[in-house]
Amino acid sequence: KQEVTQIPAALSVPEGENLVLNCSFTDSAIYNLQWFRQDPGKGLTSLLLIQSSQREQTSGRLNASLDKSSGRSTLYIAASQPGDSATYLCAVPNTGTASKLTFGTGTRLQVTL
Amino acid sequence: EAEVAQSPRYKITEKSQAVAFWCDPISGHATLYWYRQILGQGPELLVQFQDESVVDDSQLPKDRFSAERLKGVDSTLKIQPAELGDSAMYLCASTLGPRTGIQYFGPGTRLLVL
Repeated sequence: KQEVTQIPAALSVPEGENLVLNCSFTDSAIYNLQWFRQDPGKGLTSLLLIQSSQREQTSGRLNASLDKSSGRSTLYIAASQPGDSATYLCAVPNTGTASKLTFGTGTRLQVTL
Repeated sequence: EAEVAQSPRYKITEKSQAVAFWCDPISGHATLYWYRQILGQGPELLVQFQDESVVDDSQLPKDRFSAERLKGVDSTLKIQPAELGDSAMYLCASTLGPRTGIQYFGPGTRLLVL
């Protein structure tokens, strides 16, 4: 059974700092990995999707990397802003015929002024 | 920009009552998912539809939960009777098809059972 772990559970950084969020998964036979953002009481917004054949994916100040063999992904946020404050979740799809996502418990990020 | 729609956004009910949630996926998306998210945890899949057929409902508590997608478009998730432990965020997501990439999520329905 796939298990996804995210470290740290919570993180507080001053504005402008670069930061890295970590995600690890136990079954490396994945199709892709997706990073989401969730604001309090809201739904999930997809940030980046990395296909299993890719090593990196970038969108603006966000860069996600994937190392399938070690079962790890990182989300790098450059020049953090208060508006980046949210919970960040990573998820991987089931490798069977269905495609349900298995999520980590998230990293709660607070960017302070 | 196309979005997944859900209603209601908030629902307060008493235990033993029936509740229903509605989801309208992005037009053309054949695969629809219902997830439950307990506060402080990641979402967990309840049921997955491919068109009007259930693909995976292994985590759906079938004694009290039911889900349907009669015409392969919008979907309804029902709980009867609701229990205190059902208090959570219920999220709907859709994709063009299984394993075809990004899952797009709706805003969710927050359920509180008293």
